Amino acid sequence: EAQVTQNPRYLITVTGKKLTVTCSQNMNHEYMSWYRQDPGLGLRQIYYSMNVEVTDKGDVPEGYKVSRKEKRNFPLILESPSPNQTSLYFCASSLRFSGANVLTFGAGSRLTVL
Amino acid sequence: QKEVEQDPGPLSVPEGAIVSLNCTYSNSAFQYFMWYRQYSRKGPELLMYTYSSGNKEDGRFTAQVDKSSKYISLFIRDSQPSDSATYLCAIRGGSNYKLTFGKGTLLTVNP
Repeated sequence: EAQVTQNPRYLITVTGKKLTVTCSQNMNHEYMSWYRQDPGLGLRQIYYSMNVEVTDKGDVPEGYKVSRKEKRNFPLILESPSPNQTSLYFCASSLRFSGANVLTFGAGSRLTVL
Repeated sequence: QKEVEQDPGPLSVPEGAIVSLNCTYSNSAFQYFMWYRQYSRKGPELLMYTYSSGNKEDGRFTAQVDKSSKYISLFIRDSQPSDSATYLCAIRGGSNYKLTFGKGTLLTVNP
């Protein structure tokens, strides 16, 4: 089944404890992206990647890191999480970054930072 | 002015009603117009997309784009309780092809 898989789905952590949210897609998509979704603010893009080793900042990159060493994987790293990073995170991918290319989203990772 | 504006609702309708969901946008360079549906505790999934002005129909769903007014709509006919979800408009275009989402409208269809 074609899908984007995120792990963990739920996580409670404490301020300052580094964590990684993994994202993997099995569709050979070039483009991958991370979003956070907050009440009243909607979906906001954190980072995106056009292809392997090509990443760029989205609208809210502060406090996050990403890497794209393999086409299928795009992990999101929180080096020193803070409570304002409590949110619902989505990874998404599409075949290419052009035209009406459709994003396929993962099921989401709900993160709570205490 | 925000790039994409969408009334967050919530919107509550009886089963069988016609639902109208709308977004406005500010950048005339936007070219691709999409609607995503997001069920509770799930990721958004594409419902419809259109490239040009006019209407596009898919079953009970009709997407409408009016580029002259920078206004897009999604109509749901004969709404069902299974249509209860958050609907997000998403628009792509401009020099960097960025995809911009509306904040989403929460729809509840009551049996």
